[in-house]
Amino acid sequence: GENVEQHPSTLSVQEGDSAVIKCTYSDSASNYFPWYKQELGKRPQLIIDIRSNVGEKKDQRIAVTLNKTAKHFSLHITETQPEDSAVYFCAASIRGFQKLVFGTGTRLLVSP
Amino acid sequence: DAGVTQSPTHLIKTRGQQVTLRCSPKSGHDTVSWYQQALGQGPQFIFQYYEEEERQRGNFPDRFSGHQFPNYSSELNVNALLLGDSALYLCASSSLSQPYEQYFGPGTRLTVT
Repeated sequence: GENVEQHPSTLSVQEGDSAVIKCTYSDSASNYFPWYKQELGKRPQLIIDIRSNVGEKKDQRIAVTLNKTAKHFSLHITETQPEDSAVYFCAASIRGFQKLVFGTGTRLLVSP
Repeated sequence: DAGVTQSPTHLIKTRGQQVTLRCSPKSGHDTVSWYQQALGQGPQFIFQYYEEEERQRGNFPDRFSGHQFPNYSSELNVNALLLGDSALYLCASSSLSQPYEQYFGPGTRLTVT
């Protein structure tokens, strides 16, 4: 079936700490894994993505890792800042279509 | 470079009524997907339009229908509104050259009373 599980549902860290959000997908044919950041009342914004032929991708303080064998992928944010506070969603593509299945979201709170 | 736009921003309807939401894709994009986001949940795929045809559909009843115009803009129609249809409706656009990169519009907040 089509399912993406995301953990934790909430994550509180101190400014400067690292944050890790983990997702597991069910469709072995999934080959694209984006992460979106959604601030309160705003649209989801694509912050980083990874394709199945790559194991890791970094963009400044943000990195994503993918373990195809275990069907896991994770978002890593280093040196967190208060403006990183938002809800983060992982997603996975489904069988070659442009359809995305989303996780249930992680509310990240970064305290100064 | 215009991003994805949606209208209206907010909408309040009564049970049983019908509603039409509109979306204009990002410049250069030709595919529009619609998602429903209930409060506290991730977006749920409704359907996708490409070349004016519905390509794929999620687990939503036939009360949800759509259309894509020659300029790639799209409409989402919902008939016989239920209280449970209250949600944020998001439109996402993408292109055939980058099929998985979907960019979301600001959404339409629909409240059914």
